[in-house]
Formats: sequence, C-alpha cells, structure tokens
Amino acid sequence: DTGVSQNPRHKITKRGQNVTFRCDPISEHNRLYWYRQTLGQGPEFLTYFQNEAQLEKSRLLSDRFSAERPKGSFSTLEIQRTEQGDSAMYLCASSLDGRWGLGGFGQGTRLTVV
Amino acid sequence: AQSVTQLGSHVSVSEGALVLLRCNYSSSVPPYLFWYVQYPNQGLQLLLKYTTGATLVKGINGFEAEFKKSETSFHLTKPSAHMSDAAEYFCAVTDTGTASKLTFGTGTRLQVTL
Repeated sequence: DTGVSQNPRHKITKRGQNVTFRCDPISEHNRLYWYRQTLGQGPEFLTYFQNEAQLEKSRLLSDRFSAERPKGSFSTLEIQRTEQGDSAMYLCASSLDGRWGLGGFGQGTRLTVV
Repeated sequence: AQSVTQLGSHVSVSEGALVLLRCNYSSSVPPYLFWYVQYPNQGLQLLLKYTTGATLVKGINGFEAEFKKSETSFHLTKPSAHMSDAAEYFCAVTDTGTASKLTFGTGTRLQVTL
C-alpha cells in the first residue's frame, strides 16, 4: 500500500493558463475525493467519485474546473483559464466505501497563479 | 448539514504540558468525528476517529479525544506535549449520506515551546 500520490507537488502558472493535476488513490479504493485548502483554512470539499462516476460537485467547483476518473483508478483535476483566486493547495483523498479509517490523503498539489 | 467549530486558531504550550484543542460540531444526525494533523507542506494524517461505541478514543502519538454528545464536543488532548507535536490540527465530521465527505474546521496551529 503506497498511499495516495499526487503530481505535481508544486505548480506555478500564469493567469489565464490551464493546469491539470493527477491523483493516484490507494489501490482498490472505490471513492476518490478532491479538496481545496487555502492559507489558514481547513480543506473544503470540491467533488467526489465512486469508481468512475462523479457523484457530487460542490458549488466551489466553477465551470472552469473539471475532474475525471476515467477507469475508476487515477483522477485528474483540470482548471481552465486560471485566476489568482485559484491559488491554493489541492488535496486528493481516497477511501473504501467512505470509511475514512481506511482512507488517506495525498500530500497535495500547491498551485500558485501569478 | 454538518459543521465544525475549532476554538482558538493558535495554541501555545510548553513542552511537557497538557495539550487541549477544542472542537464543537453541529450535526442533525449522529456524527462520525475525526482529528487530523498536518505538518507544513504535507497532506493530512488521521490521528483518531469516533464512529460508534466507546466515547473515549485513543489515537496515534499519545493523543485521545472524548465524544460528548450533551456538549456536542470532541476535544483533543495529550497529557504531555512534545516538540514534534507542533503542527496544524483539524477536526472533521462526516455526513452519513452516500458521499461520506468530510467537513473540516478551520484548524488550530499548535506551538510547543521549551
């Protein structure tokens, strides 16, 4: 069990550019979650997948954000036309059937939009 | 909808002193409660969880928490602080719906001084 893996760890991009992050969950975990964490705040829920199906999206997830989990394994989070307000840590987590005692968080991707 | 309030964004204790981090929750259904720790530029690590059963739960690194339904609280304690405990601590609650997504508090930064 190698834990949740996220790439890249850091991303600096110019405003208006598109970025994509990848998350590899703990193997055999059917649920995958994306969270956003800004400085001094707790993580905020963005969206989650059960296998390949995206079942819930937060109001925080504007039309510029899209997430996929095409084969029910890894997931990608894309942000189009980035804005400075998108600067944050993006955390991925996975669990088995929503049981967080068996879940885990990745180390996150820190996005800086300049 | 669930919510979590963490009283005190910063707590400072001397090494060897008692650690007490406060968490109050709001939930319309019996909650599942969690404490996570986050070190700088790292993801979240589960310290302990309460689901059902014994209301005093023990976690890793000598931490424990007690679920008090009458006070809607789930405070985190450790009898004797160590320098390595310096980190950000987050209390979280899940919904009991299908998503089982975590809702986090704003966090408490623990400083440990000599």
